[in-house]
Amino acid sequence: DTEVTQTPKHLVMGMTNKKSLKCEQHMGHRAMYWYKQKAKKPPELMFVYSYEKLSINESVPSRFSPECPNSSLLNLHLHALQPEDSALYLCASSDSQRPTQYFGPGTRLTVL
Amino acid sequence: DQQVKQNSPSLSVQEGRISILNCDYTNSMFDYFLWYKKYPAEGPTFLISISSIKDKNEDGRFTVFLNKSAKHLSLHIVPSQPGDSAVYFCAASDHQLIWGAGTKLIIKP
Repeated sequence: DTEVTQTPKHLVMGMTNKKSLKCEQHMGHRAMYWYKQKAKKPPELMFVYSYEKLSINESVPSRFSPECPNSSLLNLHLHALQPEDSALYLCASSDSQRPTQYFGPGTRLTVL
Repeated sequence: DQQVKQNSPSLSVQEGRISILNCDYTNSMFDYFLWYKKYPAEGPTFLISISSIKDKNEDGRFTVFLNKSAKHLSLHIVPSQPGDSAVYFCAASDHQLIWGAGTKLIIKP
């Protein structure tokens, strides 16, 4: 089983809203990732959690706040986003011993 | 400075023929390479990978070749099928994944 699930599939929010994206995996992976992808571009790394601790923050604005409640769950809290933050947000996970990352289906976010 | 390059933005191949997607890299310290397939508005799907200690890895219709001296890898798909039409990303592992820009593969009936 190489499934990573993400909810919601689509999200439309105003610039003053607060919302959260959720990601779950049951592969026993200890590394989890958030990526942002714009059309016709490769995924852009935002955050990495390793053993439930934030290990990489790629200079992401504070309006994006990650959280890892346990080894299977990853959240991305959104607040005061800008229209340019509209993108496909992808969650991925990997075994800490292997580089292969498995991606979820993504959340299509539109900020109005 | 792009460390992983996919120089062909798009490629069109007849159904049933071989598709060859290319990828070049600059960092000789990369030790693992991966190919992902992506449909619009979906997450990337892992296809196949290769360690730097090998020069070929095969999985069904997909074969990846690695030429370390040329810092070049390629993905061969044979025979190509309509469902193979997607964007293909090459990625190299350097603790994190370093991604190429992607190549859009179009399989013509």
